[in-house]
Amino acid sequence: AIQLTQSPSSLSASVGDRVTITCRASQGISTALAWYQQKPGKPPNLVIYDASSLQTGVPSRFSGSGSGTDFTLTISTLQPEDFGTYYCQQFRSFPLTFGPGTKVDIK
Amino acid sequence: QEQLVQSGGGVVQPGRSLRLSCAASKFSFNTYNLHWVRQAPGKGLEWVAVISHDGSNKFYADSVQGRFTISRDNSKNTLYLIMNSVMPEDTAVYYCTRELANFDIWGQGTMVTVSS
Repeated sequence: AIQLTQSPSSLSASVGDRVTITCRASQGISTALAWYQQKPGKPPNLVIYDASSLQTGVPSRFSGSGSGTDFTLTISTLQPEDFGTYYCQQFRSFPLTFGPGTKVDIK
Repeated sequence: QEQLVQSGGGVVQPGRSLRLSCAASKFSFNTYNLHWVRQAPGKGLEWVAVISHDGSNKFYADSVQGRFTISRDNSKNTLYLIMNSVMPEDTAVYYCTRELANFDIWGQGTMVTVSS
């Protein structure tokens, strides 16, 4: 199975900060990667698909990049509503796998 | 709007069975692959199973292979997860989700607790 690692595991940032989360795959997955935001008690919400495509309705301050094994999710200007846990997920092969998550807190 | 509404779940004893349901509305159910994803309390997301749009192909996580069965009834716009021989480690919130540009629509989640 393809393993995904994320860093950092958690971060605390101020409104207006630029935030970057990285995801690394144990083998090349081309651009078959998605990012989700999850808030407590809610299902995940798709943010980025195909590594860099912004899901409809998601603010443009979110962006994704990368291919192969290294990927990045960037929030250009952090907003209060951006708190939550962010997960990467690979769609390259079964079993589909998720990263362990990055918890984002607002200072 | 397009949505998935889940039912089923609850408390079940180890070794017993349980069926989860996921009803779709406002989209063409029979054109999408559908998945189950679970999340143990305080833990991350774990993919469980997928079924193709016509039900002809199914894949499972190793952790549930041989115990869980994913199925669908396209005439009823409903997805199912039949959980047999449940174990305490199956305790989680279970989500159904639609595959389009990855997982774009999710059910609200249903809690399954395996306990004697």
